[in-house]
Amino acid sequence: EDQVTQSPEALRLQEGESSSLNCSYTVSGLRGLFWYRQDPGKGPEFLFTLYSAGEEKEKERLKATLTKKESFLHITAPKPEDSATYLCAVQPYASGTYKYIFGTGTRLKVLA
Amino acid sequence: DGGITQSPKYLFRKEGQNVTLSCEQNLNHDAMYWYRQDPGQGLRLIYYSQIVNDFQKGDIAEGYSVSREKKESFPLTVTSAQKNPTAFYLCASSSGVANYGYTFGSGTRLTVV
Repeated sequence: EDQVTQSPEALRLQEGESSSLNCSYTVSGLRGLFWYRQDPGKGPEFLFTLYSAGEEKEKERLKATLTKKESFLHITAPKPEDSATYLCAVQPYASGTYKYIFGTGTRLKVLA
Repeated sequence: DGGITQSPKYLFRKEGQNVTLSCEQNLNHDAMYWYRQDPGQGLRLIYYSQIVNDFQKGDIAEGYSVSREKKESFPLTVTSAQKNPTAFYLCASSSGVANYGYTFGSGTRLTVV
């Protein structure tokens, strides 16, 4: 069964304290892995797409990496405005459509 | 600017009442989706549509209905058969190039009163 697990569920960091969020996945053929940011009461905002093991993408203080079993979202020197829930989703080849499987997210709180 | 508009932002439903959530996009995307988000759970797919006049059930379609009469619009009706409708509902769309990801609307919070 295709599955996505994110850890930790919640993370509190001091401003400037770098860390990583994990997204482990089990899928029968990966078309793509996606990272989203979601602020409270709003829809998710697209961050990155990763397609194959070894690939990396960066945007400001965020860097996403991908292996054959998991993806990491590294946050370097975070600021309070980085506080949000970060969602991971995978798109299996077998779906035949653009259906994604979402993880439950990591709630990040960055303290000033 | 292109995007997805969901309305209303907040909606209250009485027991036994049907309500309809609106979703409109001006991105010229072919595919549209409805997800439900509950605390502690991942987004769960309710219905999706890849083309006008065609749609498929997702993982939790019971108690919901949709229509896709126009490319831009994908309304969701929450019927009285949905026993636990209180949730945050998200509409999304995607282009034919799958790897660009979804574009989400801002969501509708539905509460049963």
